Amino acid sequence: NAGVMQNPRHLVRRRGQEARLRCSPMKGHSHVYWYRQLPEEGLKFMVYLQKENIIDESGMPKERFSAEFPKEGPSILRIQQVVRGDSAAYFCASSPGQARGGYTFGSGTRLTVV
Amino acid sequence: AQRVTQPEKLLSVFKGAPVELKCNYSYSGSPELFWYVQYSRQRLQLLLRHISRESIKGFTADLNKGETSFHLKKPFAQEEDSAMYYCALSGQGAQKLVFGQGTRLTINP
Repeated sequence: NAGVMQNPRHLVRRRGQEARLRCSPMKGHSHVYWYRQLPEEGLKFMVYLQKENIIDESGMPKERFSAEFPKEGPSILRIQQVVRGDSAAYFCASSPGQARGGYTFGSGTRLTVV
Repeated sequence: AQRVTQPEKLLSVFKGAPVELKCNYSYSGSPELFWYVQYSRQRLQLLLRHISRESIKGFTADLNKGETSFHLKKPFAQEEDSAMYYCALSGQGAQKLVFGQGTRLTINP
């Protein structure tokens, strides 16, 4: 079991471009969580998804950010028209069911907007 | 509002000395508390959670509801304990975690 796989590990985008971050949960896990870590800060919750459903998106910025977890394939965090302030590490975690915090994390995607 | 505070960004102790990483929280209900650890070049991993009341790698943490704290302790630090440690809270019925800012622990030989 390869664990939670995130790709790419590093992503560089110019301002105004789109960024797509992928997360493949652990085998058998149907719950996915996305967190963002800005420089010098702790991880901040963004969104919680189950297959084909967004359960909690209370941490998602209202504009430009979206997430999905289709029936087949990885979960995608999409950032449209990126700005410098989007530069951060984005972490995905997964759990087999409702885990209340006991997740398995991926290695993260470091997004740099230039 | 839910909040987790780790007052020390950096903590440095000598090998064999006791270690205590502080964590205080703010939550009106019954929280579940966690410690996560990130070793150099590795992913964030769960170290322990208060409901399991277990000791992992010699670390323990006791939930003190009166002081709203969940400090992480180890009686004798080892060099391999050097890492970034995050305290986190999950509210009642919630799936998401609220993280503290983290403490970078360095164990000196």
